[in-house]
Amino acid sequence: AQSVAQPEDQVNVAEGNPLTVKCTYSVSGNPYLFWYVQYPNRGLQFLLKYITGDNLVKGSYGFEAEFNKSQTSFHLKKPSALVSDSALYFCAVRDYGGYQKVTFGIGTKLQVIP
Amino acid sequence: ETGVTQTPRHLVMGMTNKKSLKCEQHLGHNAMYWYKQSAKKPLELMFVYSLEERVENNSVPSRFSPECPNSSHLFLHLHTLQPEDSALYLCASSQDLGQPNSPLHFGNGTRLTVT
Repeated sequence: AQSVAQPEDQVNVAEGNPLTVKCTYSVSGNPYLFWYVQYPNRGLQFLLKYITGDNLVKGSYGFEAEFNKSQTSFHLKKPSALVSDSALYFCAVRDYGGYQKVTFGIGTKLQVIP
Repeated sequence: ETGVTQTPRHLVMGMTNKKSLKCEQHLGHNAMYWYKQSAKKPLELMFVYSLEERVENNSVPSRFSPECPNSSHLFLHLHTLQPEDSALYLCASSQDLGQPNSPLHFGNGTRLTVT
């Protein structure tokens, strides 16, 4: 069975500083990996995905994520945090091939402090 | 502006009521989903439809009854709910189930409170 772990309930970072939101995963085959963001009273919004190829993936709003196969990690990063980045971030994984449901992590709350 | 619209945004219902949640997607997608989001818990997949055919029923109690009349519309019919069913119910769509690299597109959800 596939699984996703987001080890931090909350991450606090000062505005302008780099941020990292951690994610590790477990799948039986090669993974499709996703990051989503949820703002208050809104649904989840797709940020970026890793399918294959370059381990550094760039997405919306200046976010990027680094795929590390040996560590089974897919950490979300941004060089300079904005107060408007404060939200709930979800990592998700899907197995290759056929219909495979998406498994989400529990979410990490990012708080950017002015 | 999301391509997936959910109504109502908020719903308060008693345990004996019957109500329905509605979802409409304008993205031309063939797969639609219902998720339940509760605080401090991972998103729970409830139902999956592909081209109006249900392909997953994730051990959901029968008091939740989905309906997908066409690939653009999805309903969740509710009856005799329990207080623990209070949650945010999210609808999502994706291009096709056979394209696992296709991300999910979510609506803004219906905040359900069962009293």
